[in-house]
Amino acid sequence: AQKITQTQPGMFVQEKEAVTLDCTYDTSDPSYGLFWYKQPSSGEMIFLIYQGSYDQQNATEGRYSLNFQKARKSANLVISASQLGDSAMYFCAMRPPGGSYIPTFGRGTSLIVHP
Amino acid sequence: DSGVTQTPKHLITATGQRVTLRCSPRSGDLSVYWYQQSLDQGLQFLIQYYNGEERAKGNILERFSAQQFPDLHSELNLSSLELGDSALYFCASSVGQKITDTQYFGPGTRLTVL
Repeated sequence: AQKITQTQPGMFVQEKEAVTLDCTYDTSDPSYGLFWYKQPSSGEMIFLIYQGSYDQQNATEGRYSLNFQKARKSANLVISASQLGDSAMYFCAMRPPGGSYIPTFGRGTSLIVHP
Repeated sequence: DSGVTQTPKHLITATGQRVTLRCSPRSGDLSVYWYQQSLDQGLQFLIQYYNGEERAKGNILERFSAQQFPDLHSELNLSSLELGDSALYFCASSVGQKITDTQYFGPGTRLTVL
């Protein structure tokens, strides 16, 4: 069974600062994918970044980067130069390999960016 | 805008009723996924379709059913509704089924069962 744990229910960060949102996972599969999504107050889920378990380098997408530490089973999201528009819920998710797609999501972390 | 559309945006209905939620995937995407997001359960995967065929089933109740039509749009049917079915229902789409395929989520349909 797969499990995603986001231990920070809420985080605060000052505008222009960097922030790290924690995500740990548990799986016995050697191959898997890790995702981060952003859910603003409007409700939609926005894909941010993806990391494959065999990827050698940490994924980056603009101001988002994924600090992937396979041995520690962690996939933390780093947001650099926070903006007020980054205030939202952030979800970490894992997808198993192969054709059977049943993802597992964490409970989410609420990020508030204040001026 | 992800390119995935969902209708309606809001739906208010009574217990015991039946509703249909509709999803149009991004142009070119063959996979459609349905999710339920509620306060107590978090985000739960319900079901996946690929090019009209069911490919994976998650925590979907027997009262719920879905299908993907030849034009690739999908509908989620919820019947014998209960108060606990109140939730935000998301549809997502992706090009294929690979683990590396990004899923793009729609804006969701907020269902309220009174």
